[in-house]
Amino acid sequence: GAGVSQSPSNKVTEKGKDVELRCDPISGHTALYWYRQSLGQGLEFLIYFQGNSAPDKSGLPSDRFSAERTGGSVSTLTIQRTQQEDSAVYLCASSPSLSYNEQFFGPGTRLTVL
Amino acid sequence: AQTVTQSQPEMSVQEAETVTLSCTYDTSENNYYLFWYKQPPSRQMILVIRQEAYKQQNATENRFSVNFQKAAKSFSLKISDSQLGDTAMYFCAFMKLDYKLSFGAGTTVTVRA
Repeated sequence: GAGVSQSPSNKVTEKGKDVELRCDPISGHTALYWYRQSLGQGLEFLIYFQGNSAPDKSGLPSDRFSAERTGGSVSTLTIQRTQQEDSAVYLCASSPSLSYNEQFFGPGTRLTVL
Repeated sequence: AQTVTQSQPEMSVQEAETVTLSCTYDTSENNYYLFWYKQPPSRQMILVIRQEAYKQQNATENRFSVNFQKAAKSFSLKISDSQLGDTAMYFCAFMKLDYKLSFGAGTTVTVRA
């Protein structure tokens, strides 16, 4: 079956602009995660969604970052007023549930802020 | 916060040989999971192997095996009979029951023909 997909694959933006990154999880997966992979910070957790429960936003680095998950499926990560330090690969993962201990990753979106 | 340490930034191995990647972690939890993920240049993170902390037996997946030492908080990965397709970055990861993965800095493995 289809895996986790993310779009766009690459995004170049100017400092101060807003960007939206999209994640389509594997069909039927109720848990969805966002991670950021950057040269300076490595791989770090940002946020996860589980079904209709309130998301765990504990990893979001600032209030410029937000995410939503509509209809329990597609998720969008929004970064407002982008900064150069936001440049990174943003990885999305999904799993059948939170307690299922394997997360299936998408190919990521490489964000470059000029 | 959990800390995962991979002390080898790069490893090189001859095709068909064996390479071992080290990983140590720091936690006060008793129940948790450990993983090794592979990230080829395509960026897609692929699960290589996982270990539940409550299991004493080391996990094995074909040519990949782990040496899990819970008391020492060590979780090394052995790749046997290395193949060119094993060339990738390998990340050790830890997950307690908050379901958030914490990753090490990664080890770049290059398999030489």
